[in-house]
Amino acid sequence: ETGVTQSPTHLIKTRGQQVTLRCSSQSGHNTVSWYQQALGQGPQFIFQYYREEENGRGNFPPRFSGLQFPNYSSELNVNALELDDSALYLCASSLDSDNEQFFGPGTRLTVL
Amino acid sequence: AQSVTQLDSQVPVFEEAPVELRCNYSSSVSVYLFWYVQYPNQGLQLLLKYLSGSTLVKGINGFEAEFNKSQTSFHLRKPSVHISDTAEYFCAVRGGGYNKLIFGAGTRLAVHP
Repeated sequence: ETGVTQSPTHLIKTRGQQVTLRCSSQSGHNTVSWYQQALGQGPQFIFQYYREEENGRGNFPPRFSGLQFPNYSSELNVNALELDDSALYLCASSLDSDNEQFFGPGTRLTVL
Repeated sequence: AQSVTQLDSQVPVFEEAPVELRCNYSSSVSVYLFWYVQYPNQGLQLLLKYLSGSTLVKGINGFEAEFNKSQTSFHLRKPSVHISDTAEYFCAVRGGGYNKLIFGAGTRLAVHP
């Protein structure tokens, strides 16, 4: 059974650029949630996708957007990057939205 | 609104000593509580969870937690820690109408020889 994978591991962008982060959910899981973890803080919920539809959203501006594909993998897109977007971005998958979430290793984004 | 407070940002402890990491929550609905561990440069791993039933929950790596509804607490304990337990620990509550996790700010456990 393959766990949750994320790519890339690290990346560096400059302010104003756009970035796409990718997540492959665990086999059999149809729900993906994205979290932002700033340095020294706990993860903050960005949004969740269930069967290709957005199922809930946290307090993040519209420049944070996402997609879920028919194979349940997911993308997180961030436009007009700001310095404060520097963080570890975690993806978690689950079987349906009610069940335990399994986290990937994260993508470390640095915005200069 | 639901929230989680982890009362200690850092907890230093000697190897083989007991440890307690404190977590308080606020919630106006049924509570589902979790403890996760994060090792350096890694994602989150579930240690244990409380959904219902017995208030004493046992998890992996010898950890346990007790759900106390009257004190709105869910403290994590281990009777004897190892160097390998050095990590960041997060308490979380499941909130909203879907499976959104609300995390505390984390407690850094540092185990010294």
